Amino acid sequence: GQNIDQPTEMTATEGAIVQINCTYQTSGFNGLFWYQQHAGEAPTFLSYNVLDGLEEKGRFSSFLSRSKGYSYLLLKELQMKDSASYLCAVPNTGGFKTIFGAGTRLFVKA
Amino acid sequence: DTAVSQTPKYLVTQMGNDKSIKCEQNLGHDTMYWYKQDSKKFLKIMFSYNNKELIINETVPNRFSPKSPDKAHLNLHINSLELGDSAVYFCASSQLSGGQETQYFGPGTRLLVL
Repeated sequence: GQNIDQPTEMTATEGAIVQINCTYQTSGFNGLFWYQQHAGEAPTFLSYNVLDGLEEKGRFSSFLSRSKGYSYLLLKELQMKDSASYLCAVPNTGGFKTIFGAGTRLFVKA
Repeated sequence: DTAVSQTPKYLVTQMGNDKSIKCEQNLGHDTMYWYKQDSKKFLKIMFSYNNKELIINETVPNRFSPKSPDKAHLNLHINSLELGDSAVYFCASSQLSGGQETQYFGPGTRLLVL
């Protein structure tokens, strides 16, 4: 089966850097996604990793280690608008079923 | 241009009623999904459709019946609504291509069963 673990909540200060971790167990690997979800809104795509290493996209970076079943999302120069839930997600082989983690609620304070 | 749209955005109804939620995507995607997000914010897959065919049914009660009249639409009909059905329902679509299949979500339908 598939299982995803990520911290429930994190708090960080505006301008700082925060790392949100995700560990997963899957019976086959087809990449790992990070989505952002603001309160009352739909999830939106942030990043996708299928190979080991770091993918950088502006203030956001995502890292993957397939051998460790581990990923993290790194947010730099935090802004108040980054306060949201961050969902780690793993699709099954074929991609028709994606398992989402429970999400990490990030609070950015001034 | 709205990529994935859902109607209604809010739905308040009594236990035992039957209701429908509609979803449309204009992205030309082959695959569409229904998710349920409960009060604890857990986003859980309910159904996946590919080219109008049901691919995944995640042990959802048969009171929930999805229908896909064409690739661009995936509607969800719910019979005999129960209190536990209260949640936010998200429709999503993607184009599966043997690799990255980013999902695009609709704005959600907030269902409250009284």
